[in-house]
Amino acid sequence: AQRVTQPEKLLSVFKGAPVELKCNYSYSGSPELFWYVQYSRQRLQLLLRHISRESIKGFTADLNKGETSFHLKKPFAQEEDSAMYYCALAPSQGGSEKLVFGKGTKLTVNP
Amino acid sequence: DTGVSQNPRHKITKRGQNVTFRCDPISEHNRLYWYRQTLGQGPEFLTYFQNEAQLEKSRLLSDRFSAERPKGSFSTLEIQRTEQGDSAMYLCASSLSQVVWTEAFFGQGTRLTVV
Repeated sequence: AQRVTQPEKLLSVFKGAPVELKCNYSYSGSPELFWYVQYSRQRLQLLLRHISRESIKGFTADLNKGETSFHLKKPFAQEEDSAMYYCALAPSQGGSEKLVFGKGTKLTVNP
Repeated sequence: DTGVSQNPRHKITKRGQNVTFRCDPISEHNRLYWYRQTLGQGPEFLTYFQNEAQLEKSRLLSDRFSAERPKGSFSTLEIQRTEQGDSAMYLCASSLSQVVWTEAFFGQGTRLTVV
């Protein structure tokens, strides 16, 4: 079964501190992994995907197949990073036929 | 706003009533998805369409739920004989199916409250 686990429901850090949002997945094949973000009163939007190896808004995420993890990291958190973050898995190659989401982590960056 | 549009944004209904939600995807997108999100959970996949064909349905989609996309453009999600457990945010997303991966864009959702 495909499953995405985000162990932290809430995460609070101070501005300028490093932040890591954890994500572990369970999938027998080769998944595509994503991080989605939802800012207050806004729609869910894609932050980054593992295959592109991009850094978006200072965030990076590395797929570790051995540990089945896809943790999201940022070296210096900003107040505007406060949001709900969802890790998601697409079971198929090459298309988001469906996404399996974790329960989300609410990140609060304090001034 | 040229993004995915969902109507209504909020719906309060009495238990046992039928409700219908509408989703207008981004115009050139041929894939359309429905998700449900309950409090404290991430979105859960319900169903998806490629053009007008409904290609996959989740086990979450009981026989009280039906989705259509008659002309391959907008889609409707109907819930018959609503139950309190149907209270949730219903999200629609769309994407353009290509050989390479393309992003799914989400609407702002329809929040259903069954009283």
